[in-house]
Amino acid sequence: KNQVEQSPQSLIILEGKNCTLQCNYTVSPFSNLRWYKQDTGRGPVSLTIMTFSENTKSNGRYTATLDADTKQSSLHITASQLSDSASYICVVSAGRTTDSWGKFQFGAGTQVVVTP
Amino acid sequence: GAVVSQHPSRVICKSGTSVKIECRSLDFQATTMFWYRQFPKQSLMLMATSNEGSKATYEQGVEKDKFLINHASLTLSTLTVTSAHPEDSSFYICSASSTWRGGSLSTDTQYFGPGTRLTVL
Repeated sequence: KNQVEQSPQSLIILEGKNCTLQCNYTVSPFSNLRWYKQDTGRGPVSLTIMTFSENTKSNGRYTATLDADTKQSSLHITASQLSDSASYICVVSAGRTTDSWGKFQFGAGTQVVVTP
Repeated sequence: GAVVSQHPSRVICKSGTSVKIECRSLDFQATTMFWYRQFPKQSLMLMATSNEGSKATYEQGVEKDKFLINHASLTLSTLTVTSAHPEDSSFYICSASSTWRGGSLSTDTQYFGPGTRLTVL
């Protein structure tokens, strides 16, 4: 079973609207969680990284939240633009006391399409 | 900082030939490099993990004799697709991570290259 689950699988939003993507994980112990944006035909680009003690982090119109107790993260896109159309991938890194330290667990991604 | 480059960005080759893809960390030393394959509209699939100076660890189902990985230095890893066939056509992405923390570099984090589009005719 995948240790990182993302939802929704895809979504279509109107330009200018907001949207929220979800990431639930079971990776334990936890080291950090990153959100990446991957444009079609390009490599993933990091948006935010959060460690255990961080609850929220922003990068421009992107705001990520983390609830380490419930093992949930969200990525909120504010005032979406056409250039936000991409796949958004949640990646969780395992902590040092586990055999999987150094392992990165990938979500399947959420495909976002912003329409005019 | 933390820039990873790949070369070439796009390659077209004939069936049966071998193709080498380079992955370089430009401004940091990458203790570990990862190679991924991605088919259209699918998520990244980890192929192998390589640590500098040692043999790569391949994921289940990935043929190590077909996908040769060399990680000879802390800034360069290469993936060679041997005897390529049309089914090997895909988007290949490398990433690098480091155990060194400095400046804007984060440990336990992967920095991705821009990818290489391989088309085998």
